Amino acid sequence: DQQVKQNSPSLSVQEGRISILNCDYTNSMFDYFLWYKKYPAEGPTFLISISSIKDKNEDGRFTVFLNKSAKHLSLHIVPSQPGDSAVYFCAAHFTSGTYKYIFGTGTRLKVLA
Amino acid sequence: NAGVTQTPKFRILKIGQSMTLQCTQDMNHNYMYWYRQDPGMGLKLIYYSVGAGITDKGEVPNGYNVSRSTTEDFPLRLELAAPSQTSVYFCASLGGATEAFFGQGTRLTVV
Repeated sequence: DQQVKQNSPSLSVQEGRISILNCDYTNSMFDYFLWYKKYPAEGPTFLISISSIKDKNEDGRFTVFLNKSAKHLSLHIVPSQPGDSAVYFCAAHFTSGTYKYIFGTGTRLKVLA
Repeated sequence: NAGVTQTPKFRILKIGQSMTLQCTQDMNHNYMYWYRQDPGMGLKLIYYSVGAGITDKGEVPNGYNVSRSTTEDFPLRLELAAPSQTSVYFCASLGGATEAFFGQGTRLTVV
């Protein structure tokens, strides 16, 4: 039972254009969502997050959108840069109770110069 | 500042052998997690802990055991290694309702 899903395993985007990475979740009890970036042979590193009480959070070139009714979140990167090429994971967790922290399957982003 | 440290970085095990993957954090975080990442797959939660003395199963706990005797350490034990446990293992810690910090990973091959 995959509670957090990223249906696109890979995405290629031209440098300077927008990258949109999508994530769906099934458990309506999740109340905090995050995006992580992972380079080969390294652990994931935090990128941006959003609480379930918000629908948008922005940090520089990165914006995360949350649609609770659709149980969907997306990460927008504008403009995309070659250094953004990595695997991106969305994650969801409960900020009370179990504190379980569940990850999606990842999307490999390739930004073409 | 070390953050989350995992040892070893690489290990080859024979089928049926046992080993312990070590994880320690120096941020005084209460919550710690073990994940595995198979090729082309996401991060699957194996076990997690909300504090010293408290552990719970994640999505894929079979074949593993954990303990949490101190806040800093959260070792993962494989008792009878199987080829299906070939993977990259990540340990993470969480201090509050924000981002988790990950170690560099342990690449395990069972032959």
